Amino acid sequence: KNQVEQSPQSLIILEGKNCTLQCNYTVSPFSNLRWYKQDTGRGPVSLTIMTFSENTKSNGRYTATLDADTKQSSLHITASQLSDSASYICVVSRSGGSYIPTFGRGTSLIVHP
Amino acid sequence: DSGVTQTPKHLITATGQRVTLRCSPRSGDLSVYWYQQSLDQGLQFLIQYYNGEERAKGNILERFSAQQFPDLHSELNLSSLELGDSALYFCASSVEGLAGVVYNEQFFGPGTRLTVL
Repeated sequence: KNQVEQSPQSLIILEGKNCTLQCNYTVSPFSNLRWYKQDTGRGPVSLTIMTFSENTKSNGRYTATLDADTKQSSLHITASQLSDSASYICVVSRSGGSYIPTFGRGTSLIVHP
Repeated sequence: DSGVTQTPKHLITATGQRVTLRCSPRSGDLSVYWYQQSLDQGLQFLIQYYNGEERAKGNILERFSAQQFPDLHSELNLSSLELGDSALYFCASSVEGLAGVVYNEQFFGPGTRLTVL
């Protein structure tokens, strides 16, 4: 069964600290993996998109890694800011045929001053 | 602002009713995607249209239907509404959407919050 598991479910950190969010998937065959940031009540915003051949991708203070062999991805946030408080969602798409995404349930991040 | 617009922002209706949600993609984007987000299910992909044609179907119920018009705006029709249909409905758009190739960034609209009483 195609699944995407994210951990932790929630995380509280202090402003300025770093953190890492995890995404494990069983989706096959793999096409691409996306990380989204979603503020409460708003639409998700794309942070990174990675295909099979990409190991690392950065977007400002956000760095995503992908290990296609172990089917794991992580999102590292450096020097967190209050505005990083949001839900972070991992989405893995299958290849072949039509667009078939599988969504993780997200990690809720709270950054305290 | 993603450039994707959705109307209405909020919608409150009763069980058994029918509603239509509207989405205008970013200028130049040919693909439109519809998603449902509920508290218990998280984000779920419903359906994708590319340049007026249905491209991919996800977990869309038979009571739901969508279409994309020649001007590329899209509508999601929800009928025989049930309490469980209460959710946030998002529309997203992207430049490309050829079958099996969805690498380009998707831009999400602000969503329509549907409440079924």
